[in-house]
Amino acid sequence: GESVGLHLPTLSVQEGDNSIINCAYSNSASDYFIWYKQESGKGPQFIIDIRSNMDKRQGQRVTVLLNKTVKHLSLQIAATQPGDSAVYFCAVDNYGQNFVFGPGTRLSVLP
Amino acid sequence: IAGITQAPTSQILAAGRRMTLRCTQDMRHNAMYWYRQDLGLGLRLIHYSNTAGTTGKGEVPDGYSVSRANTDDFPLTLASAVPSQTSVYFCASRGDMPTNEQFFGPGTRLTVL
Repeated sequence: GESVGLHLPTLSVQEGDNSIINCAYSNSASDYFIWYKQESGKGPQFIIDIRSNMDKRQGQRVTVLLNKTVKHLSLQIAATQPGDSAVYFCAVDNYGQNFVFGPGTRLSVLP
Repeated sequence: IAGITQAPTSQILAAGRRMTLRCTQDMRHNAMYWYRQDLGLGLRLIHYSNTAGTTGKGEVPDGYSVSRANTDDFPLTLASAVPSQTSVYFCASRGDMPTNEQFFGPGTRLTVL
């Protein structure tokens, strides 16, 4: 089955800098990926998604990059703000049945 | 307000007791899921349901059961709670194509003593 991992459990960035959060997956057949943000005491919240027929997708201050060759997914947050402090999860579609989640990266924004 | 609701918000439970966590969605999504979230382990799938009347086992189903009598409700039952079931439980539903986005409820924090 699918397995998902992250490169860093924690990340600290200065306010205004860009953040990059990474995720690796195992199943080359995976075709749908989501990034979630989870604030303390709340459920995960959808940020952005991407399908395997794309390499890049942009939202408001966020960009997701997909490298299918090395099975790597990244989330870029531009001009990081204090409100971006949260735990970020990548989720990978597991044969259309469910999503497999990475362990999460805790992003801390320093003033 | 459209979305997913869970009840209770939190619960302290004695070991051996039976407990049902409730989940309701009003988005008419076919697929629903139950996850548990533990520190350092991320979200792990307990059970899922692709449509009303069907259920399936996830990664960590032991000690849990679910039912899906209708589209909106997906309760999770702990028949005889054990301390290792102390966790935060999230219910989720999945939209149909083309979005396929998975929406989460606010969670239930369960402590089993």
